[in-house]
Amino acid sequence: QSVLTQPPSVSAAPGQKVTISCAGSGSNIGRDYVSWYQQLPGAAPKVLIYDTYKRPSGIPDRFSGSKSGTSATLGITGLQAGDEAVYYCGTWDSSLSGWVFGGGTTVTVL
Amino acid sequence: QVLLVQSGAEVKRPGSSVRVSCKASGGTFSSSPISWVRQAPGQGLQWMGRIIPIVDKPDYAQIFQGRVTITADKSTTTVYMQLSSLRSDDTGVYYCARQGEWQEFKNWGQGTLVTVSS
Repeated sequence: QSVLTQPPSVSAAPGQKVTISCAGSGSNIGRDYVSWYQQLPGAAPKVLIYDTYKRPSGIPDRFSGSKSGTSATLGITGLQAGDEAVYYCGTWDSSLSGWVFGGGTTVTVL
Repeated sequence: QVLLVQSGAEVKRPGSSVRVSCKASGGTFSSSPISWVRQAPGQGLQWMGRIIPIVDKPDYAQIFQGRVTITADKSTTTVYMQLSSLRSDDTGVYYCARQGEWQEFKNWGQGTLVTVSS
């Protein structure tokens, strides 16, 4: 049971948009930076978004992050076959004094 | 660019310990937190703990307290994670990851598969 709640899966056709939600609480998302990670099959995770909405260099602007209250959202526009992966949200939890992740969301391109 | 290279796969008996290394090259080793993240087969990511080498005072996830030890060797720019009293559900891939300014997991090692089996 993850501290952050994500939908298990989302899907859309190529070129379409998907959004992935990440629900937390006042001790984590409500008070700290959120980051998002993409994990392709057999690979280590890669950071897509940090500080809730910033993208590292090399990450296309098709990926976006936002936050409202105790929930965060990752958006992917112009969906491509190469976007098929598992996506995780993560942040620091002050009550647990530790980093917490969502359970992961599998994105399928139809 | 920071590169993190981890030690190879391990097979361990229940009740034993495992130590995984993570050698960093490039970037500023001493001042950046390095965390360990576990991924059980087919499961999500689980943070185990972290260390800032220059501070040398690790933080551990509550669930691993008492079983995990994270150390750093500044002379070799290597971070170690030791997990003791291994159980079958400790089987998984263990990643080291360097954290950035916003605490994001910026650079990841390639992962080390630890298999716990009798």
